[in-house]
Amino acid sequence: AAGVIQSPRHLIKEKRETATLKCYPIPRHDTVYWYQQGPGQDPQFLISFYEKMQSDKGSIPDRFSAQQFSDYHSELNMSSLELGDSALYFCASSLGRTMGTQYFGPGTRLLVL
Amino acid sequence: SQQGEEDPQALSIQEGENATMNCSYKTSINNLQWYRQNSGRGLVHLILIRSNEREKHSGRLRVTLDTSKKSSSLLITASRAADTASYFCATDVIGQNFVFGPGTRLSVLP
Repeated sequence: AAGVIQSPRHLIKEKRETATLKCYPIPRHDTVYWYQQGPGQDPQFLISFYEKMQSDKGSIPDRFSAQQFSDYHSELNMSSLELGDSALYFCASSLGRTMGTQYFGPGTRLLVL
Repeated sequence: SQQGEEDPQALSIQEGENATMNCSYKTSINNLQWYRQNSGRGLVHLILIRSNEREKHSGRLRVTLDTSKKSSSLLITASRAADTASYFCATDVIGQNFVFGPGTRLSVLP
């Protein structure tokens, strides 16, 4: 069965650079979530989209933005990168906004030097 | 302290033993889900229990939910070395989004 696809899987950037992470949800899933997981920490919810509209916002820095496109894939744009942005970024998708199981992608490991 | 706190934070057992992990939360929830994460990898969904359910089984996994105590437990029976991972509970909080706890790092020794 198709799973959530994230690209790239690994990314190395310098401070103050920008990065774009992509997420392709499971087919027919209409909701996408982004999480950030720092080393040894629990995943922190950043932002979610339902039917291409932002549905919830968590601890997403102002330097980050995201959107969901007409084909339901989502992109997380990160600007003015800081060392502390180094983390594993997970995307998850679900069918429906609430009461649904979230299926996670493999994550994108971002290293900011 | 935060929603969805697991305890213990680390657990080390022998293969064949049972492992019990607990999760407490603070606010009303729609459902509670348990996820597993191998080191540095994606989270894998294990089991979902809705707020009106008290117990759920899936293979060697048993999850209980006590909404009066705002707590849940995950029991893995007859553990195997391959069960070594971090286990997170995540609460689908009414009016908010998913909140993960800090996780329990389970080590199953052969």
